[in-house]
Amino acid sequence: QVQLQESGPGLVKPSETLSLTCIVSGGSISGYYWTWIRQPPGKGLEWIAYTKKTANTDYNPSLKSRVTISLDTSKNQVSLSLTSVTAADTAVYYCARGHYDFNLWGQGTLVTVSS
Amino acid sequence: EIVLTQSPGTLSLSPGERATLSCRASQSVSSNYLAWYQQKPGQAPRPLIYGASNRATGIPDRFSGSGSGTDFTLTISRLEPEDFAVYYCQQYSSSPRTFGQGTKVEIK
Repeated sequence: QVQLQESGPGLVKPSETLSLTCIVSGGSISGYYWTWIRQPPGKGLEWIAYTKKTANTDYNPSLKSRVTISLDTSKNQVSLSLTSVTAADTAVYYCARGHYDFNLWGQGTLVTVSS
Repeated sequence: EIVLTQSPGTLSLSPGERATLSCRASQSVSSNYLAWYQQKPGQAPRPLIYGASNRATGIPDRFSGSGSGTDFTLTISRLEPEDFAVYYCQQYSSSPRTFGQGTKVEIK
């Protein structure tokens, strides 16, 4: 079955760029929308962005100026870049399939922003 | 942006009891584009319901969703020990996609 596995740096310094990868196994990423969602420790869920291909991409306005989502079909992975991070960006970041409801989720990766 | 408000914040119930969770939207959710998720500590959210009332694959029939417009409900007919968790609603009627703040169902 299709599985999602996020990976990231774990710790990022303030003002730096956070880069995350979601490797999709058991199926192709082509033809599907892919989404990033985050959850600060002890808090709720926040949708970040989704994409299917460049022409089918949407961002949360609250993060749009700092976020880029992309697909690499050759590696079957989804990536997220978040620039100028602050402590408020500390969260578990989830990769999920879909752009309406999200029917498949990865286990998430914790990113802490701290000097 | 559609704001989703879930109530109550915490629901204290015993196994075997019925749980009724509410999700109210700040504006109408078109086409009943509303989903529900269950999340346990240290785990990713698990899809339960989509389209307001359709159970996701593998979800037992004690979970049911209902509602339309701005008022939606998730009902768990008889709580099993594994159902104690946090539940989130999410709308996909418009962008940005938004989630409610969650309802925690705890053991009384």
